[in-house]
Amino acid sequence: DTGVSQDPRHKITKRGQNVTFRCDPISEHNRLYWYRQTLGQGPEFLTYFQNEAQLEKSRLLSDRFSAERPKGSFSTLEIQRTEQGDSAMYLCASSSYTGTGGYEQYFGPGTRLTVT
Amino acid sequence: GEDVEQSLFLSVREGDSSVINCTYTDSSSTYLYWYKQEPGAGLQLLTYIFSNMDMKQDQRLTVLLNKKDKHLSLRIADTQTGDSAIYFCADETGGGNKLTFGTGTQLKVEL
Repeated sequence: DTGVSQDPRHKITKRGQNVTFRCDPISEHNRLYWYRQTLGQGPEFLTYFQNEAQLEKSRLLSDRFSAERPKGSFSTLEIQRTEQGDSAMYLCASSSYTGTGGYEQYFGPGTRLTVT
Repeated sequence: GEDVEQSLFLSVREGDSSVINCTYTDSSSTYLYWYKQEPGAGLQLLTYIFSNMDMKQDQRLTVLLNKKDKHLSLRIADTQTGDSAIYFCADETGGGNKLTFGTGTQLKVEL
């Protein structure tokens, strides 16, 4: 397995446009997470899925954000009516229970979003 | 809510040991993790420690946990230039849900 992949790696969009990002987790992992990272900060949790069920959403996830994982494999994160404050790196991670290390989360390379 | 704090910068000479410190507030943390992030890249999982352990060693990495003081440290022995990166500690409060990250410590290794 090649690890967690994300597409696109970079996205530049104009304010008010909608954007969608994709994450492909490690194949045997049943949990998938989305985080957002702004410059100089650590990643902040947005939401996570176990299989296709979305189990938790952060208060950071406004109504303009929606995430799906329709078949329990890849996931998409959509941002509607983008704002300049949405500019950030969007990171995806996946995990499954290891039995010894809890749920070790493995991260993808991220999608850098710039809203102009 | 949970809070995780780290010092912002650390500079060491090549070959010396580096110690990166982290404090957290959530007493129900079950696992604590260290991640490494290089410029423009995602996060690489380095190591972790279960909350009922005091120490874990993994090659050049040693993790120390003082649960009473909610203090975690990462020691890198024989630090190399390739270790230059931002290091994040993160805690997981159980159930496999979210990680709460610190702001990261930028490690600079000088020749």
